Amino acid sequence: AQKVTQAQTEISVVEKEDVTLDCVYETRDTTYYLFWYKQPPSGELVFLIRRNSFDEQNEISGRYSWNFQKSTSSFNFTITASQVVDSAVYFCALSVATSYDKVIFGPGTSLSVIP
Amino acid sequence: DTEVTQTPKHLVMGMTNKKSLKCEQHMGHRAMYWYKQKAKKPPELMFVYSYEKLSINESVPSRFSPECPNSSLLNLHLHALQPEDSALYLCASSRNRGLGNSPLHFGNGTRLTVT
Repeated sequence: AQKVTQAQTEISVVEKEDVTLDCVYETRDTTYYLFWYKQPPSGELVFLIRRNSFDEQNEISGRYSWNFQKSTSSFNFTITASQVVDSAVYFCALSVATSYDKVIFGPGTSLSVIP
Repeated sequence: DTEVTQTPKHLVMGMTNKKSLKCEQHMGHRAMYWYKQKAKKPPELMFVYSYEKLSINESVPSRFSPECPNSSLLNLHLHALQPEDSALYLCASSRNRGLGNSPLHFGNGTRLTVT
């Protein structure tokens, strides 16, 4: 069975602080994809990144960076110099080769960035 | 701006009403999805359409009836709903089935209240 755990339910940081959102996944499939989505109060889920199981390279996009470690089944997300506009719920998600259409979402982490 | 458009943004309906949710995308995507999201929970998959054919129904009650008139449009017909069906209904699309090729692109959702 597949599972995604985001242990942090809610996080509050002061603007300009760095923050890391944790994601741990479980699957026995060797081929899978990991995703991060952002959901601001407006409701739309915004795609941030996709990683396949064969690519462990970390990625940086502006203030966002992702650390994928297969050894610990983790796919953590760091926001550097956080801004108020980063306030949202962030979902880590998993899809596996045997059922690609069924994206398994984690419970989400609600991030509040305080001015 | 989202490339997946959902209407209406808000809908209040009684338990005896019939209403429809609409979703439109013009990205040439051939897979379209309906998700249901309760407050403070991750999205839950309801239906998947691939090339205008229903490919996945996640045991959704028959009071929800999906329809895909063409590759750009997806409807969700609602009839005899219950108050517990109140939720945010999200439409999504991807280039095709098999999310390894393309992530989900979500609309802003329809916030449904059943009275």
